[in-house]
Amino acid sequence: TQLLEQSPQFLSIQEGENLTVYCNSSSVFSSLQWYRQEPGEGPVLLVTVVTGGEVKKLKRLTFQFGDARKDSSLHITAAQPGDTGLYLCAGARYGNKLVFGAGTILRVKS
Amino acid sequence: DTAVSQTPKYLVTQMGNDKSIKCEQNLGHDTMYWYKQDSKKFLKIMFSYNNKELIINETVPNRFSPKSPDKAHLNLHINSLELGDSAVYFCASRGQGTWGMNTEAFFGQGTRLTVV
Repeated sequence: TQLLEQSPQFLSIQEGENLTVYCNSSSVFSSLQWYRQEPGEGPVLLVTVVTGGEVKKLKRLTFQFGDARKDSSLHITAAQPGDTGLYLCAGARYGNKLVFGAGTILRVKS
Repeated sequence: DTAVSQTPKYLVTQMGNDKSIKCEQNLGHDTMYWYKQDSKKFLKIMFSYNNKELIINETVPNRFSPKSPDKAHLNLHINSLELGDSAVYFCASRGQGTWGMNTEAFFGQGTRLTVV
């Protein structure tokens, strides 16, 4: 059983479409992070959300942390082919433990 | 200057062999991790060290033995390699920050291990 459930696992969309990726858990996290991973590379941090209800924007990407700090979402507006990649949510737990969701593979076709 | 570097990038070896993967970080972080990423891209935590001390061991077979000679290095030694060990192994490091929980994890480029 995974601590963080991420959905969908795969997403293939046309350029210009909007999409949302969800990250859910029954556990409370002190913070949630979103990472992006490209082939042959390690994950790179996009954002950290800390406060329940927090919304952060990074250009066309909007990140939200649930009020109860158990879930988060990533919304991409007008997706571009350059957004293609693996998106991972990660939750911070006690003792420096950082656990990851299963990931969402996004493919944006031009 | 690479923040987290791990070697080798690719490793092909036969079943039963023993191999090591090395990791070094130049960020001055106290915490380092080993993660295993399987073919489905799931990134599973294996070990975490804080200042050379093991703090997380996620029920990994004892064929896997991490070693941290100092806080900038965390190596992973694997004995008696099995087919199921084939995966990409990532090293990561993380600073303390406020309460140590909200800081960014920096990852190496990964080591693709193939056991044949």
